[in-house]
Amino acid sequence: KQEVTQIPAALSVPEGENLVLNCSFTDSAIYNLQWFRQDPGKGLTSLLLIQSSQREQTSGRLNASLDKSSGRSTLYIAASQPGDSATYLCAVRPLFNNDMRFGAGTRLTVKP
Amino acid sequence: DTGVSQDPRHKITKRGQNVTFRCDPISEHNRLYWYRQTLGQGPEFLTYFQNEAQLEKSRLLSDRFSAERPKGSFSTLEIQRTEQGDSAMYLCASSFRERVASGNTIYFGEGSWLTVV
Repeated sequence: KQEVTQIPAALSVPEGENLVLNCSFTDSAIYNLQWFRQDPGKGLTSLLLIQSSQREQTSGRLNASLDKSSGRSTLYIAASQPGDSATYLCAVRPLFNNDMRFGAGTRLTVKP
Repeated sequence: DTGVSQDPRHKITKRGQNVTFRCDPISEHNRLYWYRQTLGQGPEFLTYFQNEAQLEKSRLLSDRFSAERPKGSFSTLEIQRTEQGDSAMYLCASSFRERVASGNTIYFGEGSWLTVV
């Protein structure tokens, strides 16, 4: 059974700092991995999707990497801003079904 | 394209009552998913439709839960004889299978909050 773990559970940084969020998964037989952002009481917004054959994806100040063999992904946020404060979730989609598994998320606070 | 919409956004119900949530996916999306999320946790998969066919169901989806997507467009999730443990946010999501280049990015609605008292 796929288990997805995100470390740290919470992170507080001053504005402008670069930061890394970590995601690990136990089964490397994945179709893709997706990073989401969730604001309190809201739905999820897709940030980046990495196919199993890819190593990284970039969008603006965000960069996500994938090391499938070691079961790890990182989300790098450059020059953090208070508007980046949210919970960041990673999710892995298995090869043979649509039961996408989520981590519990990292709650990020960026202080002005 | 207005995104995935869910209704109602909030529902408070007494234990034992039935509730129904509706989801309208992005119009061209043929895949629709239901997830459940409790505070401090990530979403948990409940069920998945491709067009009108319900192709996968999680063991989390007990006999009290039923989902339909009658014409391959909107979907409903009904919970019968609600229990306090059903209190959660119910999220709907959709994606379009054939857009391989996009990697089947999944788009979520804002969720429907259920409180069972």
